[in-house]
Amino acid sequence: EIVMTQSPATLSVSPGERATLSCRASQSVSSNLAWYQQKPGQAPRLLIYGASTRATGIPARFSGSGSGTEFTLTISSLQSEDFAVYYCQQYNNWPRLTFGGGTKVEIK
Amino acid sequence: EVQLVESGGGVVRPGGSLRLSCAASGFTFDDYGMSWVRQAPGKGLEWVSGINWNGGSTGYADSVKGRFTISRDNAKNSLYLQMNSLRAEDTALYHCARHPLRGAAEFDPWGQGTLVTVSS
Repeated sequence: EIVMTQSPATLSVSPGERATLSCRASQSVSSNLAWYQQKPGQAPRLLIYGASTRATGIPARFSGSGSGTEFTLTISSLQSEDFAVYYCQQYNNWPRLTFGGGTKVEIK
Repeated sequence: EVQLVESGGGVVRPGGSLRLSCAASGFTFDDYGMSWVRQAPGKGLEWVSGINWNGGSTGYADSVKGRFTISRDNAKNSLYLQMNSLRAEDTALYHCARHPLRGAAEFDPWGQGTLVTVSS
């Protein structure tokens, strides 16, 4: 099983600042990586797939990068609605789809 | 509008069974693979099981293999998860989610989930 490790577990950021979230895979997943945002009481929402392609309707302040084992989600200027938990997920290894443990982005 | 609505959750004793359903609307259901993803209270996301567009290919997480069975009825635009031999650690919110047309990859969208509680 491919283990996905996200860091940090919690990120404290002020509104308007840049947030950088990391996701590491225990082995290469090529560019088969997605990012999700989850707010309390809501289902996860797809942000990024293919490591760097924004999903439909996702603002340009969200960007993804990386390939192989190292990935980054960047939120260029945090808005109040961006404070949430973010998960990465690999889909390189069907049927062993795995998620990272999540990064909580909280208000500093 | 694409919609996924889960049902069938509830409280069940250890060793018991439950069948979850997911009703899909707003898209051509039999074009897409589907999966179940669960989230234990206060925890992260765990993929449980997936199925391709016609039910000919399925996959399971090791934690549920041999106990859970995924299926679909394309005539009814519905996805199912039969859960047997339930354990306390199966307690979670179970979401159904759609894969893209190109195959078993990311999940978009997700349903709101149905809660399964396994407790004596």
